[in-house]
Amino acid sequence: QQQVRQSPQSLTVWEGGTTVLTCSYEDSTFNYFPWYQQFPGEGPALLISILSVSDKKEDGRFTTFFNKREKKLSLHIIDSQPGDSATYFCAASNNAGAKLTFGGGTRLTVRP
Amino acid sequence: GPKVLQIPSHQIIDMGQMVTLNCDPVSNHLYFYWYKQILGQQMEFLVNFYNGKVMEKSKLFKDQFSVERPDGSYFTLKIQPTALEDSAVYFCASSLPNSGNTLYFGEGSRLIVV
Repeated sequence: QQQVRQSPQSLTVWEGGTTVLTCSYEDSTFNYFPWYQQFPGEGPALLISILSVSDKKEDGRFTTFFNKREKKLSLHIIDSQPGDSATYFCAASNNAGAKLTFGGGTRLTVRP
Repeated sequence: GPKVLQIPSHQIIDMGQMVTLNCDPVSNHLYFYWYKQILGQQMEFLVNFYNGKVMEKSKLFKDQFSVERPDGSYFTLKIQPTALEDSAVYFCASSLPNSGNTLYFGEGSRLIVV
């Protein structure tokens, strides 16, 4: 049973466009939702995160939206750049020190 | 930002041998984790560790796996004996004990079992 589902698996956008990645989850006890960015050959790095008490968090070109009722979250990247090309993972957890459950990842390619 | 160091970065080992993967977590972090990733796919949770004890482990954490952090040194993942299906990149992570459970990951240790 997949606890966190992520779509699409892969995505290509043109430079300057808007990227939208989505995730859904099942465990209603999840209350922390980070997005990680991973470049080939590197470890995942935290990009942005949101707690379940919020519905939106913005950091520069990156915004994450959270819908508790629908158990969904999304990551929007505006003015997408070739340097944003990476794999993006959503994740969820419910307690400090608890495991993060990851989605399957979205491989993003931004074409110049 | 905070750095998690992993040693070795890659290792090739014969099936049946033992391997130890080492992790130097962020200095003031108290929770430690191992994740397994095959071919750039999903990050799969293996185990988390706090105060000298395993907190939770997944079904991927087979009996041949063990973790420890003796005397605040490296947090290690030992696989004995290794199997072909253990070939993967293993990521160590660490975090502070507060809400907003930010995990900081290392660069990974690529293990190839032949």
